Amino acid sequence: GAGVSQSPRYKVAKRGQDVALRCDPISGHVSLFWYQQALGQGPEFLTYFQNEAQLDKSGLPSDRFFAERPEGSVSTLKIQRTQQEDSAVYLCASRSWGGGAVTGELFFGEGSRLTVL
Amino acid sequence: SQQGEEDPQALSIQEGENATMNCSYKTSINNLQWYRQNSGRGLVHLILIRSNEREKHSGRLRVTLDTSKKSSSLLITASRAADTASYFCATELVFGQGTRLTINP
Repeated sequence: GAGVSQSPRYKVAKRGQDVALRCDPISGHVSLFWYQQALGQGPEFLTYFQNEAQLDKSGLPSDRFFAERPEGSVSTLKIQRTQQEDSAVYLCASRSWGGGAVTGELFFGEGSRLTVL
Repeated sequence: SQQGEEDPQALSIQEGENATMNCSYKTSINNLQWYRQNSGRGLVHLILIRSNEREKHSGRLRVTLDTSKKSSSLLITASRAADTASYFCATELVFGQGTRLTINP
């Protein structure tokens, strides 16, 4: 597609529910990143994929967070047993090449705003 | 954790004035990037400056980098109401807290 697409844009979950957030990166982009952005804060790195390989998951805050990119394109971020502190905007970004932390321009989606009640 | 810290946290100026935002970081870098985020939207890449560059221009944007002080600045000249947004610096994969810029017409 023309840009990074994320769905749903808004999600309200009751505490304890599981949620799944989807990211469609720019076609052909090798790298995919997930970030968590709390209100009024900068994005916090969660995890990084190069094609289907999850090369860095050091930012995932707990084992309730799980991300996958099985075919090297679409990615899903899953949060199990959601807690109120999980409320945030979850941003997905893609980049045309690999290289991990040696960054070039990241292309961001609009984000998925998660509210846990 | 956030590596970069932007200063100021918020800035409000009149249209037509220049806006300067600063960013400090902690570790050695290959490059530093600046992004803009409009309210409720994703981040948009503005400019990348490499560690061996000291200054870079793009339209009304001017970025400087001082690796000895581990700091960078973003200057927006002749500001417009449409420049109202939050601005973030990023080193490697780590973003700062951002500066919220408001341009008053």
